[in-house]
Amino acid sequence: GAVVSQHPSWVICKSGTSVKIECRSLDFQATTMFWYRQFPKQSLMLMATSNEGSKATYEQGVEKDKFLINHASLTLSTLTVTSAHPEDSSFYICSAQQGLYEQYFGPGTRLTVT
Amino acid sequence: DAKTTQPTSMDCAEGRAANLPCNHSTISGNEYVYWYRQIHSQGPQYIIHGLKNNETNEMASLIITEDRKSSTLILPHATLRDTAVYYCISQPLTGRRALTFGSGTRLQVQP
Repeated sequence: GAVVSQHPSWVICKSGTSVKIECRSLDFQATTMFWYRQFPKQSLMLMATSNEGSKATYEQGVEKDKFLINHASLTLSTLTVTSAHPEDSSFYICSAQQGLYEQYFGPGTRLTVT
Repeated sequence: DAKTTQPTSMDCAEGRAANLPCNHSTISGNEYVYWYRQIHSQGPQYIIHGLKNNETNEMASLIITEDRKSSTLILPHATLRDTAVYYCISQPLTGRRALTFGSGTRLQVQP
């Protein structure tokens, strides 16, 4: 089956620093990838839609200058959390779309900002 | 996207069938019903999807009512590893492709 990986799986950073999270589709090409965020005991919330070779589309309330998304190839999208603050601590999950229907999710990245 | 409603939680005995209901009374004709599950601290896992016919794969069966206003996900022989939050999502065939997650059903499989 289709496999999506994320790196790192967890990261701790200091307030004010930036963190980059990678999302890779390992055995298929994904023209579209999605980034979600999940706070403890809550459901996943879509942050942005990433299309290869074009600018990401951000959901309302998500700061595009804070959450930088790059989708430079059909197998890689990156999310950079700039000037991270403790309130950015969350579980970040990407998904990659294969074909018309199925989305496959990465294992998630747990970010803790101290 | 159409909204779905699911029970907050359910218990099931190990080895028994787990039947998870979902109400999607406002679903549009071009929207599929998708089921995903999320085991604690992992990314969601695709289970199954369907439009109007019942579907079965190696993981589960999906029963969609004739009027398409509700569906049931069936795990035929639940194991402890099936303990997870199960999400029922309706998504159109075209247009917006991102998934809108509700609160899901927390299934606890009991030994």
